[in-house]
Amino acid sequence: GQSLEQPSEVTAVEGAIVQINCTYQTSGFYGLSWYQQHDGGAPTFLSYNGLDGLEETGRFSSFLSRSDSYGYLLLQELQMKDSASYFCAVRGTGQNFVFGPGTRLSVLP
Amino acid sequence: DGGITQSPKYLFRKEGQNVTLSCEQNLNHDAMYWYRQDPGQGLRLIYYSQIVNDFQKGDIAEGYSVSREKKESFPLTVTSAQKNPTAFYLCASSPRESRGYEQYFGPGTRLTVT
Repeated sequence: GQSLEQPSEVTAVEGAIVQINCTYQTSGFYGLSWYQQHDGGAPTFLSYNGLDGLEETGRFSSFLSRSDSYGYLLLQELQMKDSASYFCAVRGTGQNFVFGPGTRLSVLP
Repeated sequence: DGGITQSPKYLFRKEGQNVTLSCEQNLNHDAMYWYRQDPGQGLRLIYYSQIVNDFQKGDIAEGYSVSREKKESFPLTVTSAQKNPTAFYLCASSPRESRGYEQYFGPGTRLTVT
């Protein structure tokens, strides 16, 4: 089966940098995705890592180390609107996707 | 405007009643998914479909049923056999080339069963 672990909460101030970690256990690994979800809203796709290394998209970057079964999402120049929950996700058998429990990010002024 | 629509946004039902949640997409995506989210929790996969007339069970399929008669539509029926149906239900679709890693979500339906 698959399981993912994330910190439950992270707090940071505006303008800071924050890293949200994700460790996973899977029977087969095909890549790691990240999603953002504001309270009451739907998740939106942020990034995907299929290979080791860093992927950068504007203020957000995502990193993967397959040998360590570990990835992280890096948010730079934090803004109040970044306050949300962030989920990592992996694919299991077929298209059976498994999401992590989520990390709630609070950005303080 | 391309996107995924779910209706209704809020739905209230009595115990023992089946209820069908609608999900429509005009993104021309092959794959579609149904997730359930409970308060403060992650998403759990109920069913997914990669092509028309084919669908597979996810981790929590018991008490749910789906159909995929058209590429654009993937309705979910919550049956009376689902023990705890009150939850936030999210539908998603994904383009073939992303192999499911890039999913686009609808706004969700909040179902309350009393």
